[in-house]
Amino acid sequence: GQNIDQPTEMTATEGAIVQINCTYQTSGFNGLFWYQQHAGEAPTFLSYNVLDGLEEKGRFSSFLSRSKGYSYLLLKELQMKDSASYLCAVRDLETGANNLFFGTGTRLTVIP
Amino acid sequence: SQTIHQWPATLVQPVGSPLSLECTVEGTSNPNLYWYRQAAGRGLQLLFYSVGIGQISSEVPQNLSASRPQDRQFILSSKKLLLSDSGFYLCAWIWTSGMNEQFFGPGTRLTVL
Repeated sequence: GQNIDQPTEMTATEGAIVQINCTYQTSGFNGLFWYQQHAGEAPTFLSYNVLDGLEEKGRFSSFLSRSKGYSYLLLKELQMKDSASYLCAVRDLETGANNLFFGTGTRLTVIP
Repeated sequence: SQTIHQWPATLVQPVGSPLSLECTVEGTSNPNLYWYRQAAGRGLQLLFYSVGIGQISSEVPQNLSASRPQDRQFILSSKKLLLSDSGFYLCAWIWTSGMNEQFFGPGTRLTVL
């Protein structure tokens, strides 16, 4: 099976940096994804890690350590529009069909 | 470019009534297709996935079913809705090769009363 944990809620200040952690346990790990989901909307893809290390994409970066079953999403220069839920998901090849398994999401609130 | 459509956008149904939600994908062929449900305050739960026409795999036991009558069409159905079926239903797709991320449709918000 799969077990994915991330904090339920976080609050950060506009212009600051925030790190959202995700730990996972899965038998057939083949990639970790981060999605952003604004209230009432569909998730949108942010980043993908399959090898250890940091992937940077503008203000967003994602890190993976496969040996520790750990990832984080780093958001820099926070903007009010970054208030959303951030979903961590792992791909498990043992289940077939490129299936993704999602955590419950971290609701980030950016305050002025 | 590829797009994914879902309808209806919102739906209010009484307990015991039938359900049919439709998802279609444009601009791609032979995608893997997925149905997820997101209940209030909970994560995305994978309900069904399909790797081809007529091929459906179920991830959780429930009173829902899925069908894929055409390559780019995925339908979620129920004969009798339960209160617990309320939630945000999302369809997603991925190419069978060459891509990593799943792309989500706009979703259907279902309220069962």
